[in-house]
Amino acid sequence: NAGVTQTPKFQVLKTGQSMTLQCAQDMNHNSMYWYRQDPGMGLRLIYYSASEGTTDKGEVPNGYNVSRLNKREFSLRLESAAPSQTSVYFCASRPGWDTEAFFGQGTRLTVV
Amino acid sequence: KNEVEQSPQNLTAQEGEFITINCSYSVGISALHWLQQHPGGGIVSLFMLSSGKKKHGRLIATINIQEKHSSLHITASHPRDSAVYICAARYSGNTPLVFGKGTRLSVIA
Repeated sequence: NAGVTQTPKFQVLKTGQSMTLQCAQDMNHNSMYWYRQDPGMGLRLIYYSASEGTTDKGEVPNGYNVSRLNKREFSLRLESAAPSQTSVYFCASRPGWDTEAFFGQGTRLTVV
Repeated sequence: KNEVEQSPQNLTAQEGEFITINCSYSVGISALHWLQQHPGGGIVSLFMLSSGKKKHGRLIATINIQEKHSSLHITASHPRDSAVYICAARYSGNTPLVFGKGTRLSVIA
């Protein structure tokens, strides 16, 4: 009964380092999403994948890349981390457009 | 730009009080979601509605399409209800959810 699993839960990076946030869901959902959450702001969409094999930019895609590896997995990559990317990142999935969303536990990323 | 506005930003209540959190949105939504973010950070979906009212335990969600407004009510509030409550809208077409900034609720015993 795992749902949406994100790794890692916490990460500290130095400016310029790269890393990949992993997300996997075991509910056979078509759509997957990456959000960031910053104090005083709502969840902002970084990238999403409406179905396996497709990815689209969201509201704040700059500095990020994504890969929909298969139906289960959707990864988010920071090629050259910047302090402005310090945030809490959430992965989510949904079966379809008119369905509820299921969220991972979040990754707290600090870039120093 | 499609936006979602929530009020209040912060809310403190005494245990047992009736609580209302408001959400307003632009025209043309196909569904409105209410979510809860626990103090530990996890986010869970509470309701998805496109008309009328839904109820689950002490939680009630309503939506008024004409007024472009939704409310989340909590009856007989309890300290365990303390969380951030988030409203999100799906606008027409195959578009991702647009989120409000959340309402931080603290219920004091």
